[in-house]
Amino acid sequence: AQSVTQLGSHVSVSEGALVLLRCNYSSSVPPYLFWYVQYPNQGLQLLLKYTTGATLVKGINGFEAEFKKSETSFHLTKPSAHMSDAAEYFCAVSEASGYSTLTFGKGTMLLVSP
Amino acid sequence: DVKVTQSSRYLVKRTGEKVFLECVQDMDHENMFWYRQDPGLGLRLIYFSYDVKMKEKGDIPEGYSVSREKKERFSLILESASTNQTSMYLCASSPVGVINTEAFFGQGTRLTVV
Repeated sequence: AQSVTQLGSHVSVSEGALVLLRCNYSSSVPPYLFWYVQYPNQGLQLLLKYTTGATLVKGINGFEAEFKKSETSFHLTKPSAHMSDAAEYFCAVSEASGYSTLTFGKGTMLLVSP
Repeated sequence: DVKVTQSSRYLVKRTGEKVFLECVQDMDHENMFWYRQDPGLGLRLIYFSYDVKMKEKGDIPEGYSVSREKKERFSLILESASTNQTSMYLCASSPVGVINTEAFFGQGTRLTVV
């Protein structure tokens, strides 16, 4: 069985500050890991994903995440927040072997203040 | 540009009504999914399909059924709508052989059952 824990249902930052959204996963086999973003009244859009290879993954809009197997983590970061980054962010996991669907975390709402 | 289209953005239905939520994808994807999104609970998988006429239960299938008669279309059916099915419903698709990688999402249907 697989699961995802996102620490913090809401994170507030000032414009220009570092963004850090935390994600820990549980998986009995090597995982594939994802971050999705949802803007108000929109569907989900893929920000980045880790499948194999380099553990530091770069995505769209300046976001990146690092897969740390020893910590079972896949935290999302951005060096400098923009107002347009305000949205809800979802971490998701699936198993790299066998037949598996995506399991999502409960989401973290990012609030950016001027 | 890849596209997953959900037939309605907003729906209001009465308790006991039979409700159909329609989803169409134009990417020739084999896999299609229905998720339910509720505040604080993230996305939960209702049903998925990996081929025409095939369906698999997700985490919360009770009170729902699905239909996939054509590859591009995946319907979610609420046989007798109840107020606890008021929610945002998201459809997604992904290509075969990469079920563990990116899923493409529709804009969502916000269903209110009164």
